Amino acid sequence: KQEVTQIPAALSVPEGENLVLNCSFTDSAIYNLQWFRQDPGKGLTSLLLIQSSQREQTSGRLNASLDKSSGRSTLYIAASQPGDSATYLCAPRGGTGGFKTIFGAGTRLFVKA
Amino acid sequence: NAGVMQNPRHLVRRRGQEARLRCSPMKGHSHVYWYRQLPEEGLKFMVYLQKENIIDESGMPKERFSAEFPKEGPSILRIQQVVRGDSAAYFCASSPTLTGAGKDGYTFGSGTRLTVV
Repeated sequence: KQEVTQIPAALSVPEGENLVLNCSFTDSAIYNLQWFRQDPGKGLTSLLLIQSSQREQTSGRLNASLDKSSGRSTLYIAASQPGDSATYLCAPRGGTGGFKTIFGAGTRLFVKA
Repeated sequence: NAGVMQNPRHLVRRRGQEARLRCSPMKGHSHVYWYRQLPEEGLKFMVYLQKENIIDESGMPKERFSAEFPKEGPSILRIQQVVRGDSAAYFCASSPTLTGAGKDGYTFGSGTRLTVV
């Protein structure tokens, strides 16, 4: 059974800092891994999708890496802005349990102006 | 190209009533997934469906909950005899064909927020 852990659970930083959000998962037989953003009371927005054969993906100020064999992924946010304040969710898909995606509890980020 | 459409956005039901939540996947997507998010908690997998088939329902409560994805029309998550503990946000996601699992991620709808009074 896939279990996903995200560290830290919450983070408060001043604007402009570079951030690293960590994710670990127990079942490394995944197909891919997505990072999502969720704003309070809203749905999920996909940020990055990394295939199991890839090591990293980049989109703007975001960079996500994947070390499938060790069951780890990191989301790097450069030059953080107040608009980045949200909950960030790590979601590996697949594994020995099937094709579904399992979510971590998230990292709640607050960027102070 | 419309995204994943969920309706209603908000649903209020009295204890003991039935709740029906609808999800229309993105065009070209044939796989639907339902998740539940309790207040201040993470997303919990409920069920994974393909047209006319339930692929994985390992996250569905044993009683009162059912899901379907008919050949025509949206996927439906049905909760019978709702209780206060069913109050949550219910999210639907869709993805393309199963053979693309290694390449395709999920697209989520905006969710249905169910309140049981």
